[in-house]
Amino acid sequence: EVHLLESGGGMAQPGGSLRLSCAASGFRFYSYAMTWVRQAPGKGLEWVSGITGSGGDKYYADSVKGRFTISRDNSKNTVYLQMKSLRAEDTAVYYCGKDWSMAVSGCDSWGQGTLVIVSS
Amino acid sequence: DIQMTQSPSSLSASVGDRVTISCQASQDIGKYLNWYQHEPGKAPKLLIYEASNVETGVPSRFSGSGSGTDFTFTISSLQPEDIATYYCQQYNDLPPYTFGQGTRLEIK
Repeated sequence: EVHLLESGGGMAQPGGSLRLSCAASGFRFYSYAMTWVRQAPGKGLEWVSGITGSGGDKYYADSVKGRFTISRDNSKNTVYLQMKSLRAEDTAVYYCGKDWSMAVSGCDSWGQGTLVIVSS
Repeated sequence: DIQMTQSPSSLSASVGDRVTISCQASQDIGKYLNWYQHEPGKAPKLLIYEASNVETGVPSRFSGSGSGTDFTFTISSLQPEDIATYYCQQYNDLPPYTFGQGTRLEIK
């Protein structure tokens, strides 16, 4: 059974940094792309970033490009989202998802999410 | 980036009703469209992929159709446990893979 557990959320000040982690189990981690999406309070889902199974290709939403960095450690079955220069509008629940192929596509499994609050 | 326009934004229906949600892409995306169900505080759930393929384990009352720019999601007979927000998402070509605005489904 696929299991995804996000961690690293919490409070940060505007301009600050946080690193989210997503620990995966129940599947061959290196064979699947991974994706981060978020949901701001009262808003819908927003695609944030994706990384291929090998880690060789990374993609970002325009809203986070240049501030967020996605990475993965296939030896630890973990994907990360390094968030810098945080803004109030980055406040959201962040979900990691397992794509159904090695390429970033769509996600067939998701974690329960981790809450990020950006506030002074 | 491809924009996804989903309608309606909210919907109230009775148990047993047929429910339909529409999603329109700003350009041709072929059949590269997913539908997700999201309940508050829970992980999103994939229901439909590639516009019309039902994910394993998803009840047969859920279906999807369409191609190109116009897509439809249908619940043939609404059940109380279907209360959630539903999202379409395109995955054509390269990311970003944008979501529609969501449709909040309520029981009358």
